[in-house]
Amino acid sequence: EPEVTQTPSHQVTQMGQEVILRCVPISNHLYFYWYRQILGQKVEFLVSFYNNEISEKSEIFDDQFSVERPDGSNFTLKIRSTKLEDSAMYFCASRVATGASYEQYFGPGTRLTVT
Amino acid sequence: DQQVKQNSPSLSVQEGRISILNCDYTNSMFDYFLWYKKYPAEGPTFLISISSIKDKNEDGRFTVFLNKSAKHLSLHIVPSQPGDSAVYFCAASVYNQGGKLIFGQGTELSVKP
Repeated sequence: EPEVTQTPSHQVTQMGQEVILRCVPISNHLYFYWYRQILGQKVEFLVSFYNNEISEKSEIFDDQFSVERPDGSNFTLKIRSTKLEDSAMYFCASRVATGASYEQYFGPGTRLTVT
Repeated sequence: DQQVKQNSPSLSVQEGRISILNCDYTNSMFDYFLWYKKYPAEGPTFLISISSIKDKNEDGRFTVFLNKSAKHLSLHIVPSQPGDSAVYFCAASVYNQGGKLIFGQGTELSVKP
């Protein structure tokens, strides 16, 4: 069964450093998302991406964040200058674009620890 | 932002009995609702969904009920199995907002043998 994959599984970085989190969505999916979950809190939407552009972003997704689909398979989230409060699990998700199916399929997540 | 609420942080059920997980929402624009199951250190796994034009959807042991007038949905698991023990998240979506999901806080289900 196709699945969303994410690398790395765990990233430790120092405050102020740039990190890039990588995702390979399911191959026939056309909508891509990033979410995060701070320990003990709910899963929060960050950004959605469709047709090579951001379709929506949350208040969390400020100028320090960017997303890119550099080729036909990868989808990346970059944090330019990490802060302590960026420590969280980051989940990538994807879904097909057609019909009334809104199900999003999530990757296993990347645990980001900012020290 | 409390658009989707799961008021029970935990639920304990005996194996073989019914588990009922509840979710309330405030935004009447939501038109699609989903339930996800999550194990520690893993991503959410899609379980079942329902469109706002329906009031029930069933898939095996899982049934989701939607009461639009009460802005309430529930997930029924029958019969419950120990492997169902996980955190269950309710999520809602608005079609014209690119499909972003708004999640509830989650309910931790424990199914005891």
